[in-house]
Amino acid sequence: EIVLTQSPGTLSLSPGERATLSCRASQSVGSPFLAWYQQKPVQAPRLLIYGASSRATGIPDRFSGSGSGTNFTLTISRLEPEDFAVYYCQQYGRSPLTFGPGTKLDIK
Amino acid sequence: EVQLVQSGAEVKKPGESLKISCKGSGYRFSSYWIGWVRQMPGKGLEWMGSIYPGDSDTRYSPSFQGQVTISADKSINTAFLQWSSLKASDTAMYYCARGSYDFWSDYSFWGQGTLVTVSS
Repeated sequence: EIVLTQSPGTLSLSPGERATLSCRASQSVGSPFLAWYQQKPVQAPRLLIYGASSRATGIPDRFSGSGSGTNFTLTISRLEPEDFAVYYCQQYGRSPLTFGPGTKLDIK
Repeated sequence: EVQLVQSGAEVKKPGESLKISCKGSGYRFSSYWIGWVRQMPGKGLEWMGSIYPGDSDTRYSPSFQGQVTISADKSINTAFLQWSSLKASDTAMYYCARGSYDFWSDYSFWGQGTLVTVSS
């Protein structure tokens, strides 16, 4: 099983700042089959990034993904108030599919 | 418009059985994998398993194999998640999500979630 580790656990920033979230895999994620999701309270997760760096439909270009192998990054260039949420990475290159534990992005 | 609509919240007692549903619309239901994801209270996301409605090919996470059953009825565009004997530890929000025609895919569309509470 591929174990995903996300850091930091919590990130406190202000609107307008840049956020950098990390996701590390215990083994190489093929292809790369790595996605990022945003989840707000009492809402279902929303796909932001797939294939490590492709934005999903309707996702603003302030969200970007990068990385390969075992190290991946989600960057939010300038935080908007609606971006404060929990972010999960997921690998879908090997079964079982696995999610990271999440990074909570909260307002400083 | 792609939509996944899940059945309503359930309150059950330990030992009872349960089957929750996820109805897809706005796309060819039989051609896309549907996954089930658990979120325990205050916790993260866990993939439970997925089904391809076209031929009922089903794959489970080892953590959930034998604990739940995933099925689908393509004639009514609906996937199901069921338990034969619930435990208190099954209390969670359960989401269905649509993948692609390939098992190895992200989940681009999600249901609204079904809250299952198991308590004596």
